[in-house]
Amino acid sequence: EDQVTQSPEALRLQEGESSSLNCSYTVSGLRGLFWYRQDPGKGPEFLFTLYSAGEEKEKERLKATLTKKESFLHITAPKPEDSATYLCAVQSPRAPDKLIFGTGTRLQVFP
Amino acid sequence: ETGVTQTPRHLVMGMTNKKSLKCEQHLGHNAMYWYKQSAKKPLELMFVYSLEERVENNSVPSRFSPECPNSSHLFLHLHTLQPEDSALYLCASSQMGLAAEQYFGPGTRLTVT
Repeated sequence: EDQVTQSPEALRLQEGESSSLNCSYTVSGLRGLFWYRQDPGKGPEFLFTLYSAGEEKEKERLKATLTKKESFLHITAPKPEDSATYLCAVQSPRAPDKLIFGTGTRLQVFP
Repeated sequence: ETGVTQTPRHLVMGMTNKKSLKCEQHLGHNAMYWYKQSAKKPLELMFVYSLEERVENNSVPSRFSPECPNSSHLFLHLHTLQPEDSALYLCASSQMGLAAEQYFGPGTRLTVT
């Protein structure tokens, strides 16, 4: 069964304290892995798409990487405005219109 | 209006009520989605419409009835809901074939009493 697992469930960081969020997946024939950010009371906001192992994408303080089994979202020198829930999803190989989401990591960055 | 809008933002309904959720996208996309988001659970895909035709129905109970009159509008008609249907209902849109780059609305927070 296709599955996405995110860890940790919650993460508290001091401003400037770098860390990484993990997304592990089991899917036969990965077509794409995606990261979204969700702020309270809002819908998810698309961040990155990764298609093959070794690929990396960067946006401001965020860098997403992909291996054959997992993806990491690295946050360098985070700021309080980076506080949000970060969601990982994979594209179902059997139903390309379907994204399989993890439960997310709730990140809180304190000044 | 820009992006994806949803109305109402909050809805409280009794188990015998009938209500509808509305979604409108202003992005020129041709695929639209309904998701359910419950606490501590992954986003759950409910329905997918591509070019106004339903292409995915994820075994959703018949008390949820979608309608897509055109590529910009999507409705979710609700009737005789159960308390466990209380959740955040999210609408999203994308270009057909680019399902991953979905743009989400702010959601409707539904409470069934």
